[in-house]
Parts: sequence; structure tokens; C-alpha cells
Amino acid sequence: FMLTQPHSVSESPGKTVTISCTRSSGNIGHNYVQWYQRRPGSAPSTVIYENNQRPSGVPDRFSGSIDRSSNSASLTISGLKIEDEADYYCQSYDSTDVVFGGGTKLTVL
Amino acid sequence: QVQVVQSGAELKKPGASVKVSCKASNYTFTGYGVSWVRQAPGQGLEWMGWITPYNGDTNYAQRFQDRVTMTADTSANTAFLEVRSLRYDDTAIYYCARSFGTSKWFDPWGQGTLVTVSS
Repeated sequence: FMLTQPHSVSESPGKTVTISCTRSSGNIGHNYVQWYQRRPGSAPSTVIYENNQRPSGVPDRFSGSIDRSSNSASLTISGLKIEDEADYYCQSYDSTDVVFGGGTKLTVL
Repeated sequence: QVQVVQSGAELKKPGASVKVSCKASNYTFTGYGVSWVRQAPGQGLEWMGWITPYNGDTNYAQRFQDRVTMTADTSANTAFLEVRSLRYDDTAIYYCARSFGTSKWFDPWGQGTLVTVSS
């Protein structure tokens, strides 16, 4: 299966942005979805795990959800800050494979 | 804090092999999996496979099955990724990450190891 994300999104500081992740086959609700942030020159780090859980240290401006009707997951970032500018990847799995979305470049301008 | 630390950058010729290490600390190494993910220049993240250090079980992504071996040394809390028959398009940053079995959540990630394939 594939996970499809928008190539890029942009929004102004203080605003809210939502990044989608659509699963091509298989039920989005059957397997957890994670979201990772990757800043240039840094390793990926988790912003959301198990659909909607935030690791300690991740601000509550970050939230995750799934929508069974569209077979997709979403990452929402509210109160955007310049430091949120990064690439964001969704990730899920099936019985044999782990799959990453193609990544979304978030520009905060 | 929980961390995984990888070995340093490598420069290899086409056809050679490379072995990258990933040392875990401050968690029970045999209680989790270790996954390997790579990112080629200008590309996204690509999962390569998973090893369960407790029993050595592996699960490789199909496209890497013939050229990749993942191992683990539980006495040293270290996982290894070997890639054989290197090609120019294997040039990438290779990451390891602690992996949670049920949710397939990867956290934390290593700092990455740049492998450059060049003649």
C-alpha cells in the first residue's frame, strides 16, 4: 500500500495548518499512524504516535487524527511558529511492511 | 536518556559492502525491535527492515531482501546493518531507530550515517 501526502504546504505564523496522509488500500483504522518531523541536518523525531498520542516534550499545538470515511490521517499544527518549518512524514504498516508517506515540506512564512 | 548512536560516515566503491552499527543505551535492548530506514538525497524516508534482538528474527522490505543483512549483538546492545553489492543509488543517510512491536512506532532515531558510493 501507499501513503500519499501533499508535497508542500505553507502558512503564516500563528495560523493553523493540517497535513493529510491518505492510505491507498487497507483500512486506516486497522494500523496505527505515526508522524515524524525532520528538520534539515537532523534525524527524524516523533510528533505523534499511535494516531493521536504526543510524546513528552511535544507541545499540544500538535495533534493527530484519523478519518475512516476518507481512509486518511491528519496532522494539525496550531499557533504555527517559525521553528515548525520542517518536513513531516506519516508512517503506518500492514502485516509485512512499514510504509512512509512521501513527506510534506511545511513552510512558515 | 534513551538513545541510539550510530557509527560514522563511510565512503565505498560500487560493488563493495558496508556495515553500519547502532548502539543502544538506557533501555532494555532485547525488549524492543530495531528498524533501519534510509533517505537518499532529495528523497523521502524508506523503510529497509526490522530486527528483533531478543531472538534475531528479521523482516526485510522486499526490495532489499537480496542485499541486506541485519544482525544484533545483545552482549553489546548493538545492532548492525550490512548492505552488499553497493550501487551509486545506495548513497543515502542510513538511520536506525528503536521500534515498538505493536504500533511500529520508531523512537528515538539515531543521528544517521552517511554512506557515499563513488568510484
